[in-house]
Formats: sequence, C-alpha cells, structure tokens
Amino acid sequence: EDQVTQSPEALRLQEGESSSLNCSYTVSGLRGLFWYRQDPGKGPEFLFTLYSAGEEKEKERLKATLTKKESFLHITAPKPEDSATYLCAVQGDSNYQLIWGAGTKLIIKP
Amino acid sequence: KAGVTQTPRYLIKTRGQQVTLSCSPISGHRSVSWYQQTPGQGLQFLFEYFSETQRNKGNFPGRFSGRQFSNSRSEMNVSTLELGDSALYLCASSLSPFNEQYFGPGTRLTVT
Repeated sequence: EDQVTQSPEALRLQEGESSSLNCSYTVSGLRGLFWYRQDPGKGPEFLFTLYSAGEEKEKERLKATLTKKESFLHITAPKPEDSATYLCAVQGDSNYQLIWGAGTKLIIKP
Repeated sequence: KAGVTQTPRYLIKTRGQQVTLSCSPISGHRSVSWYQQTPGQGLQFLFEYFSETQRNKGNFPGRFSGRQFSNSRSEMNVSTLELGDSALYLCASSLSPFNEQYFGPGTRLTVT
C-alpha cells in the first residue's frame, strides 16, 4: 500500500537555526514527490517537484533532496516568516493519485 | 495568470441541509481535485476530475459528489449535512493528472 510518513510532527527552531524535515514514502513506481507549504487557514502553496533519486531543488532558504526511500526539506538560516506546515505528497504509477503526508508544523522563534 | 478561485469562501449551514461549492481552475488546467481538511485528519482526498470524467474517488460516503464542466470549472455537493462535515474544503487544479497541483484558498464550511 502506498504510504507517506512525515517527521517530526512539529519542530521549533530559533531564527537562524538550520534543520531538516523528513518525508519517508513507499510507493509502487514513483512518478513524482511534491513539497508544499501551508499557512493556517489557507490553501497549500506548491514548492517543489522531485522526480528521481539524487535530484535536488532549491528556493531561497529551502532545499529539497530525494532518495529512493525518503525526501528531506532542508531549511537554512530560517526566519520567522518560514513558520508554516510543510506537506509532502507522492504520486505513483498505479493510478497517479497523490498520497499525502500529515505534515510537519514548523515554528521559527525570533 | 489568475490562480484557483473558490466560492463561497465561508459558509454556515444547518444539519440536514445540502451545499454546493464551486471551483474555477487556473486557465488551461484541465484537472481538478477536491480535498477535505480538518485539524485532526489533515488533507483527505475526495475526488479528481479530468476532462469532465471522474478519475479517482476517495473514501467518502455517497453524500459527497462532484462534477466538472466543459470549461474545467468544477462543483462539489454535500447532501444531508452532518456536524462532522465542518471543515476547510480545498480545490486544486493542474494541467493534467501528472502535474503539480495548485490550490485555491478554500471554502470554510461550518455545520451547526
């Protein structure tokens, strides 16, 4: 069964303290892994798509990486405005439906 | 390019009533997905439409239904509302089922 697990559930960091969020997945035939950011009461905002192991993508203070079993979202020198819930989703080649993780709530304290 | 729009943004209904939510996708996008989000359950997939055909359906009762029109706009309907249907309903559009999804702001439904 296709499955996505995100860890930790919540992460509190000081401003400037770098860290990583994890997204572990099991899927038959990975077509893509997606990262989103969601602010309270709003729709998720698309960040990255990763397609194959070894691929990396960057955007400002965020960098996403992918292996055959997991993806990491690295946050370098975060600022309070990076506080949000970060969601991960995978798409397999069985029916292309997105399988979503529960998210990691990131809090950056000034 | 305009983003995904959802109407209405907020809605208060009474148990037993029915409700229709609307979603206008990004221009050129032909795939629309609907999700229910509650604090304890995260994003729960409702259904996906592509070129007016339902491709996938989540594990929700038959009270939840949807459709897509020829201009790719989509509606979802919930009949016989229950208190547990209170949630943020999100619509997402993509070029095709194989591309990244872009979300609208959501419709906050409260059932009293």
